Amino acid sequence: EVRLVQSGAEVKKPGESLKISCETSGYSFPTFWVGWVRQMPGKGLEWMGNIFPRDSDTRIRPSFQGQVTLSADKSRRTVFLQWSSLRASDSGIYYCARLRRSPGDYYFDSWGQGTLVSVSS
Amino acid sequence: DIQMTQSPSTLSASVGDRVTITCRADKNISPWLAWYQQKPGKAPKLLIHDVSTLETGVPSRFSGGESGTQFTLSISSLQPDDFATYFCQQYSNYPYTFGQGTKVEIK
Repeated sequence: EVRLVQSGAEVKKPGESLKISCETSGYSFPTFWVGWVRQMPGKGLEWMGNIFPRDSDTRIRPSFQGQVTLSADKSRRTVFLQWSSLRASDSGIYYCARLRRSPGDYYFDSWGQGTLVSVSS
Repeated sequence: DIQMTQSPSTLSASVGDRVTITCRADKNISPWLAWYQQKPGKAPKLLIHDVSTLETGVPSRFSGGESGTQFTLSISSLQPDDFATYFCQQYSNYPYTFGQGTKVEIK
């Protein structure tokens, strides 16, 4: 069974750093892209970026470039999403999700449970 | 970015109704479209990928279709478990983009 288990809720102040995790199991970790999706309170879904754990190749949405860092640890089968300096506007729920390839392209087939990040002074 | 316009934003229906949700892309994305179901406090769940391929384990009352750049998610006979929010998503081009969501609520 494919499983993605995310780290717990975080409460932070503006300017603080944060690293959240997504631990995977049940599949060949290095060979599947994993993506991150943000959901602001009561809002829709926004794709942030993908990482390919085998070589840490990444694709990041331009609006998040320089704001977040994606990384992967193959020994722990875990991917990470990191901020060096949080802003209040970073508050939201962050989901990791595995990407499966159809004959042509990739879609999210399994999701983590989400990590709530609250940033407030 | 490819814009995904989803309608309606809210849909009121009764158990047993047939409902259809529409998603329009402003560029050609076929067949790289997926539909997800999200319940309050839960992660999205994949229902359909590649426009019309039902994910394993998803009931057959769900179906996906297309006509040009317009895509549809239909539920043939709404069940109590189907009251949720539904999102479309294109994965034809980066950045991946989602529709705004359709909340299906009890009439």
